[in-house]
Parts: sequence; C-alpha cells; structure tokens
Amino acid sequence: GAVVSQHPSWVICKSGTSVKIECRSLDFQATTMFWYRQFPKQSLMLMATSNEGSKATYEQGVEKDKFLINHASLTLSTLTVTSAHPEDSSFYICSAEWAGAGTQYFGPGTRLLVL
Amino acid sequence: SQQGEEDPQALSIQEGENATMNCSYKTSINNLQWYRQNSGRGLVHLILIRSNEREKHSGRLRVTLDTSKKSSSLLITASRAADTASYFCATDAPGDDKIIFGKGTRLHILP
Repeated sequence: GAVVSQHPSWVICKSGTSVKIECRSLDFQATTMFWYRQFPKQSLMLMATSNEGSKATYEQGVEKDKFLINHASLTLSTLTVTSAHPEDSSFYICSAEWAGAGTQYFGPGTRLLVL
Repeated sequence: SQQGEEDPQALSIQEGENATMNCSYKTSINNLQWYRQNSGRGLVHLILIRSNEREKHSGRLRVTLDTSKKSSSLLITASRAADTASYFCATDAPGDDKIIFGKGTRLHILP
C-alpha cells in the first residue's frame, strides 16, 4: 500500500513553455503533499507544502508564481513550471502523507530537461 | 537550518565489508529517517527511528540515534553490489510535518 505515482517520468521542453507534473496517491487520501527539487549529485530541497483545498506554502527562495502548485483533491497535486528555462532542469519529486501518518510516501520523480 | 549533514560525502568499500554513514542535525527532532536513492530514481524508505529510541535494526541495517550529540549513524553489514546508491538522512521537527534532507552519502560497493 501507500503508493505514489508521478506523471510524466520524463519531459523535455523548449525554453519558455510551461510544464505540468502530476503527483497522485493511488491507494490513500493524501491530506498533505510535498514537492522537492533535486539537482544532480545534490540532496532533495523542499520547494513547497500543499494541503488539500488550500494554498501551498512555499519555502524561502522558491518563486510561487513560477512554480504553481494545485492540490484540488485528496489524491492529486500538480506542479506547473511556468515559462521554463534551462536552469529549471532538474529532478522533481513529490511525496504524500495522510493526517497523522508521520510518514511521507515518495513518488518516483519526474526528470525535466529544458532546452 | 534543520538540514542534516552526512559524512562521508562519498564512500567506496569492497563487497562484503560493512559501510557506516553518519548524519548530524542542528535542532530538536521528532523522527529521523534514512532513505536510499539509486541513480536517477526515486527514494526508498529504509528505516525510521524516533527521538526516544537509541537503536533500530532492519535486516542488514542498523541505525543508531544520539540526541545529545544530534547525530545518527547507518550501518550496512555485509555489503552487496546492489547497495551501491546514495543514502540520505531526513529529520522532522516537533509540530512540523516537513522533513528536511541531509546532503547524502554516495556509497559505491566494489566487486
């Protein structure tokens, strides 16, 4: 149980376009979802925390207008990278938890390459 | 910052040897977790140790936690080639559901 999926697993886009990444909890209702970014050979950096039905809380230094997060249902959160640039190329990972679980379940990640 | 620091940053050992990785953190924690990440892949949760626990075992894994020193260690015994991966510790603070990752240790098991 507690499976989290991400779609797509790979995306290549041109600079200036917007890219949407989906994160789904497949067998549980995720009251909270988290989005992380990981550059090569570096650790995961938390970008934002989203609770179902409310606005996401962004970490310091993360532009909320650039990284739009929507958590409209208990099983789906989306991250939209708007007007992507090559420096946005990274590995984006989501995680999800249900209230009181104390454990986050991670998705397999989405690799974004912006040309 | 809550972020943990692992050491060493990189470790190469012979297959069959034991691998020890350390993690230090800065503030009070609720739990400390260890994760494995194979190259280019998602995270695999290995083990969670609570702040009131000192040691935990899971198969070939042994985790210790010393809250007085704000540090933890992960020991992998009898290493195998499949253990080659990056290992991260992650902590969460009381009253906060965010978890913050350390910088990770890249472990390479030599055949």
